[in-house]
Amino acid sequence: EAQLVESGGGLVKPGGSLRLSCAASGFTFSNAWMRWVRQAPGQGLEWVGRIRSNTAGGTADYAAPVKGRFTVSRDDSKNTLYLQMNSLKTEDTAVYYCTATCHSDSSGCYWGQGTLVSVSS
Amino acid sequence: EIVLTQSPGTLSLSPGERATLSCRASQSVSSDQLAWYQQKPGQAPRLLIYRASSRATGIPDRFSGSGSGTDFTLTISRLEPEDFAVYYCQQFGSSPGWTFGQGTKVEIK
Repeated sequence: EAQLVESGGGLVKPGGSLRLSCAASGFTFSNAWMRWVRQAPGQGLEWVGRIRSNTAGGTADYAAPVKGRFTVSRDDSKNTLYLQMNSLKTEDTAVYYCTATCHSDSSGCYWGQGTLVSVSS
Repeated sequence: EIVLTQSPGTLSLSPGERATLSCRASQSVSSDQLAWYQQKPGQAPRLLIYRASSRATGIPDRFSGSGSGTDFTLTISRLEPEDFAVYYCQQFGSSPGWTFGQGTKVEIK
């Protein structure tokens, strides 16, 4: 059974940094394209970033609100996805989900349970 | 950027009733790139429908998706108690991003 487990969330001050991890199991992580999606408290879903599989180039793309501040990376030897978040703002407060995409990256088949990031002074 | 507008914002129905949820795009969307998710409080989204009308693995056949162009619909034929949740549509267009609708809450009447 496919499983994704996020970790690394917590309380951080504005301008600070945090690194989230997403450990994958039960599917071939190295073949998967992966995304981060966030959800602010009481709000809807927002795409954050995507990374291709290494066989597809391993490059990443970002949503405009986080471009230049967040970095998505992966370590296929550890079956782990990362989200490095720098220069955090209060508006980055959200639950962050990792998802393994499918159907040609058009939808998220497997989702983690999410990790809460709170940015506050 | 394509904007997805879901309606209604809240749908109040009783178990056993039929639910019809709408997702309208600001410009034409390929049917191959429209998905629907269910989210319950405190849980991650769960994929229900992909490519506008294909049910994801393990999804009951009371859930169905339809539509094309700018108008898409998620139908739940007979609501079960576990179906009361928030539903999101999502599209993947020519840019690498995903766009989500704002959600429709299906609540018990």
